[in-house]
Amino acid sequence: AQSVAQPEDQVNVAEGNPLTVKCTYSVSGNPYLFWYVQYPNRGLQFLLKYITGDNLVKGSYGFEAEFNKSQTSFHLKKPSALVSDSALYFCAVRLYYGSSNTGKLIFGQGTTLQVKP
Amino acid sequence: DVKVTQSSRYLVKRTGEKVFLECVQDMDHENMFWYRQDPGLGLRLIYFSYDVKMKEKGDIPEGYSVSREKKERFSLILESASTNQTSMYLCASSFLGTYNEQFFGPGTRLTVL
Repeated sequence: AQSVAQPEDQVNVAEGNPLTVKCTYSVSGNPYLFWYVQYPNRGLQFLLKYITGDNLVKGSYGFEAEFNKSQTSFHLKKPSALVSDSALYFCAVRLYYGSSNTGKLIFGQGTTLQVKP
Repeated sequence: DVKVTQSSRYLVKRTGEKVFLECVQDMDHENMFWYRQDPGLGLRLIYFSYDVKMKEKGDIPEGYSVSREKKERFSLILESASTNQTSMYLCASSFLGTYNEQFFGPGTRLTVL
């Protein structure tokens, strides 16, 4: 079955320290992977995506993610966390559905990032 | 900027009522989606549409229906609201194609009493 997992419900980090939010996936075929962020009482905002090419993908707000095919992981990273990064983060993977081109995604359950001053 | 708007931010309804949630996007996207978000469960797809009048069931379609009469508008209908449909409902849209990210509306928090 195709799936995506975020093993941590919450990640706590001090402001200025590097942060990592973990994501692993299981898909048929080539994985197309996405990260989204949700601030309180808001919809999801797109951060970045991996389609092909360089394993290190850069996105919005200084975030980046590293695709690792052998470990089937796509961890979100930032070199120096800000208090304003505190939010709920979702990893998602493109669902393969035969030859369907509908763009359906499977989302992980979300990881709450708490950055403390 | 892509804009996806939803008709209400907060909605309170009674059990058995028919509920309409409206979503409008202004970027001429072919795909539109309805999700519900519950703590610990992430986002679950209810229905999606890849063209006007076209719809497909997602993972949890029971108790819901949808309507897409115009390309920019996608409605979610709860035929007879129940308390277990209390949730955050998120609408999203995207262009057709494998690589395209989805753009989300602000969400509607529905409470069914």
